[in-house]
Order: sequence, then C-alpha cells, then structure tokens
Amino acid sequence: AQKITQTQPGMFVQEKEAVTLDCTYDTSDQSYGLFWYKQPSSGEMIFLIYQGSYDEQNATEGRYSLNFQKARKSANLVISASQLGDSAMYFCAMREGPVQGAQKLVFGQGTRLTINP
Amino acid sequence: DTAVSQTPKYLVTQMGNDKSIKCEQNLGHDTMYWYKQDSKKFLKIMFSYNNKELIINETVPNRFSPKSPDKAHLNLHINSLELGDSAVYFCASSREGYEQYFGPGTRLTVT
Repeated sequence: AQKITQTQPGMFVQEKEAVTLDCTYDTSDQSYGLFWYKQPSSGEMIFLIYQGSYDEQNATEGRYSLNFQKARKSANLVISASQLGDSAMYFCAMREGPVQGAQKLVFGQGTRLTINP
Repeated sequence: DTAVSQTPKYLVTQMGNDKSIKCEQNLGHDTMYWYKQDSKKFLKIMFSYNNKELIINETVPNRFSPKSPDKAHLNLHINSLELGDSAVYFCASSREGYEQYFGPGTRLTVT
C-alpha cells in the first residue's frame, strides 16, 4: 500500500488565487513527520514546510500553510496568493518513527502546479 | 554559499562503464542521503549515512556503493552501468530530526 498519496497529478490555478494541494498518508506509527518540497523546472528540491505528528497547531511558513487533519491522515499544503513562480512540482513526504538517527523520507507521486497569469 | 553541492551536474556514459558522483555539504549536518528520481519524477531513498556510518540501505543493486570519507562528504560509485540506471540522483543532508536539504541533482544518462 502506498504510504503517501497525492491524488492530483496536475492543477491549474489563476495567479493570486489560493491553492490547496492534497496529501494523504498511511502509517501506524504515533510519531511521524510530514514535509512538503517544491521542485521547479530547474530541478532542485526546495524544502517548504514541516509538520510533526504531535504538533497541535498547523505549520505555517510565509504564504505556505499545512492543513493537518490527523484523524483523516491528511496533510494538505495551502499556498495563499499564488504567484507565477509557484509553478512547479510539489511533493509530500513522510518520516516514520522517532526523530533519532537518519530519517527515511517516503515521497508521494507529486502534483504539478501551473499558475496562469 | 552552496549548502549541498554535487558533481557532476550531468553525466552521460555508456553501458558497462563505472562512474562516481560526489556530494559535499557545508551545513555541519550529521546525516547524508542518496535519492534516485526516475523518469516519472518518483523519488526513492537509496542510502543514508549518519556520522560516516551506513544507516539506511534500501533494496539497491550492489553495483551501487556509497562511501563517506567524512561527515561532510558522501559519494556514490556505480559499477557496470545499465540503461535502467538513467535517472536524476540527489544527495541530501539533515540534522537529526529536521528537514533534509537537497543538492541540485546529477542527471545520469546511460546509452
């Protein structure tokens, strides 16, 4: 079974609109972490935001926020006031287990976001 | 200053050759990783080193051999390259428990 599922292969959004990228996960661990990365066409992987399973508040970083719904096992990324530069692939990833030692990240399939002017 | 760097950025080689990809991080992180991104953009972890010790070794052909001479470096050597090895290889590093920072990637093309 897939551990991380991103159901939207592609999304098209008008500039300045908010956009939500979906991510659901599957784990039986109590301690885990959820990450979002952005991969623009230039290819690099850029860390955006992190949510720990015990964090009570949703994570926010500038225009990025994570809508964490633990009971539903979802960790959707919300981008407010989208910009043309937000066009990229977005990956949701999960770290299972405690934070000690190396973290094995499991990635979703990605969502290609296109912002239209 | 580049945080995680990889060389080369592009690598084109023939089947059967042996090649290496180098990775260096100047973030002072204890842990380094190698990931493979296939043509469908799927990212999968291959190896992880923590303080020069191999911690994660996924189901990877033994033609792939990582080497960590020190905490700041993690190299990937690939023997007897095959067509299916064509992919983008990413190095990453992290502090324990924190997000991973990725290098720019190395696009390997095997002809």
